[in-house]
Amino acid sequence: AQSVTQPDIHITVSEGASLELRCNYSYGATPYLFWYVQSPGQGLQLLLKYFSGDTLVQGIKGFEAEFKRSQSSFNLRKPSVHWSDAAEYFCAVGISNFGNEKLTFGTGTRLTIIP
Amino acid sequence: NAGVTQTPKFQVLKTGQSMTLQCAQDMNHEYMSWYRQDPGMGLRLIHYSVGAGITDQGEVPNGYNVSRSTTEDFPLRLLSAAPSQTSVYFCASSYNLYSGANVLTFGAGSRLTVL
Repeated sequence: AQSVTQPDIHITVSEGASLELRCNYSYGATPYLFWYVQSPGQGLQLLLKYFSGDTLVQGIKGFEAEFKRSQSSFNLRKPSVHWSDAAEYFCAVGISNFGNEKLTFGTGTRLTIIP
Repeated sequence: NAGVTQTPKFQVLKTGQSMTLQCAQDMNHEYMSWYRQDPGMGLRLIHYSVGAGITDQGEVPNGYNVSRSTTEDFPLRLLSAAPSQTSVYFCASSYNLYSGANVLTFGAGSRLTVL
C-alpha cells in the first residue's frame, strides 16, 4: 500500500522568504502526486499535480513542485511567500489500479507567515 | 454554483444518536468519497463510490454506512455516534474513473461533535 510522509508538522517563514515543504512517498511504481492547500475553515483546494512527463510542475498561486524518483520525494516550493499563503498543506499520492480509487494523504504541514 | 455541497456545517450529537451527513455534487462526477480530518492525522478515507449503486470501504469505515442511489448524492450515516467520531468530515468528488490521477473537488466540510 502507498504511504505519504510530511516530516514537518509546522513551519514558520517570514513574508517574502522562500519556502520548501517536504513530502516523501512510499510506493513501488511511479505514483500520481498532488499538493492540496486548506485555508482555515475551508475545504481543500488543488495546488498542483504530477502524473508523468516533466518532473517540475507548476501550480496555482506561484507554487511549484519537483518529483525526484531517486529520493521518492515531491517537495513543494515557492520563491517568495505572501501572508495569504498561511494555511495547511497536504501532499497526497494516488495509484493507477483498476477499481482502486483511493488517494492517501499525508498528515499535513501548517504554514505560518510572520511579517 | 457548481461544486460539492455538504450539510450540515456543524452538528452536536449525544453518544448513541444517529445522523446523516449529506453530500451532493452537480458536476456529474462518477466518483465520490468521504474523508475525516483529525489533528495530526491528515485526511483518512472512510468510504468511496465509483458510481451509482457501487460503494466500497476506505481506511476507517467502522461505524459509518454509505449508499449511492443517484450520481449526485452520497450520504454518510452514523448509526450510533461515539465520541471517537468527533471530527471534521469532508466529501470529495471526481470525474475520472479507474485512474489514480484523481483530482478531487472538496466540499467545505462538516464539523461533528459527539458528547
